[in-house]
Amino acid sequence: DGGITQSPKYLFRKEGQNVTLSCEQNLNHDAMYWYRQDPGQGLRLIYYSQIVNDFQKGDIAEGYSVSREKKESFPLTVTSAQKNPTAFYLCASSTDRGSETQYFGPGTRLLVL
Amino acid sequence: GENVEQHPSTLSVQEGDSAVIKCTYSDSASNYFPWYKQELGKGPQLIIDIRSNVGEKKDQRIAVTLNKTAKHFSLHITETQPEDSAVYFCAASGVNYGQNFVFGPGTRLSVLP
Repeated sequence: DGGITQSPKYLFRKEGQNVTLSCEQNLNHDAMYWYRQDPGQGLRLIYYSQIVNDFQKGDIAEGYSVSREKKESFPLTVTSAQKNPTAFYLCASSTDRGSETQYFGPGTRLLVL
Repeated sequence: GENVEQHPSTLSVQEGDSAVIKCTYSDSASNYFPWYKQELGKGPQLIIDIRSNVGEKKDQRIAVTLNKTAKHFSLHITETQPEDSAVYFCAASGVNYGQNFVFGPGTRLSVLP
């Protein structure tokens, strides 16, 4: 069963804590993306990766970090420097960057305690 | 950079009626325009897309039209059903934005039985 999985579904962060959101795909896609979604707003790009061991900042990268050590995996760390982390986080992948369809995972909702 | 506007922000229709959502974009170099449907608490799902070399595309009850001169594209849903109720997002991508997607703010569609 091919697709994109994200875990956990809900995540709670304490002040000053770093938390990591998981994203895995078995679609053999080269490109992967992280978006943040706030209520009433569209999706905003945090980071993207076109290929293993390479990633680029999106529009709102401050307070976030990523790694791309494997083609299938693109974890996102929300650091303590992100002062307003409460949001719905979506991971996506596509065969390549460019005008190619992006497929989304089910999302992780991050809440601050 | 690219800017995508989407109207209306909310739309209510009677079951069986048609629904139209319109997006405008600013970058004339944008060349790919997907539409996503997002149900509550889930990731967006691609429902239809169109490229800049095509003026219209249909898939059963869903169609998308593109007017490159006016820089707008529209989603048309005919014979609406209650399960069409969701938030719909448009997006645009093109070389001037690194081929990343810029999303509209979304339209909440309610189909009343």
